[in-house]
Amino acid sequence: AQSVTQLDSQVPVFEEAPVELRCNYSSSVSVYLFWYVQYPNQGLQLLLKYLSGSTLVKGINGFEAEFNKSQTSFHLRKPSVHISDTAEYFCAVSPIIQGAQKLVFGQGTRLTINP
Amino acid sequence: EAGVTQFPSHSVIEKGQTVTLRCDPISGHDNLYWYRRVMGKEIKFLLHFVKESKQDESGMPNNRFLAERTGGTYSTLKVQPAELEDSGVYFCASSQLMGLGNTEAFFGQGTRLTVV
Repeated sequence: AQSVTQLDSQVPVFEEAPVELRCNYSSSVSVYLFWYVQYPNQGLQLLLKYLSGSTLVKGINGFEAEFNKSQTSFHLRKPSVHISDTAEYFCAVSPIIQGAQKLVFGQGTRLTINP
Repeated sequence: EAGVTQFPSHSVIEKGQTVTLRCDPISGHDNLYWYRRVMGKEIKFLLHFVKESKQDESGMPNNRFLAERTGGTYSTLKVQPAELEDSGVYFCASSQLMGLGNTEAFFGQGTRLTVV
């Protein structure tokens, strides 16, 4: 079985400041890792994913994440946030054998950008 | 190309009533999933269709929930009778049937169900 822990339920930051949203996971098998974002009144949108290869993954809207196998982490970062980044962010994993067919999500982190 | 579409966007029903949620996946996507987020909790997997067949329904909470996907196109999720604890946001997602190379699920906007 897999589990995902997002360590912060809410993260307030000022505009143009850097941000890191933390995600740790537990799994007895190898997994794919994902970050999804939900903007207000919208569905979940894929930000980025780690399948294999380089542990630093770049996604949309200037976000990136680094896979750390020894620490079982997949933290999301952005060097300078914008008001439009206000949203809820979800970390998720799926066993490689299942592709993206059965995602296990974290509790979500609500990112609030203050002017 | 249209994305995953869910109807209705909101539904408020009384305890004991029946509600049916609908999901139209992206055209050509054989995989269809239902997930649910209860208030304040994580998004949890409910079930997975491959075309019209249920591949995995291990996340369905109880037999008050019935999911169908007739013809392998759209899917419905019926809750009968609804209980207070069924309140939450129900998400549908779809993906291509690419075997082990399937690595991205596309989500709908969700249906917010409130049982009063």
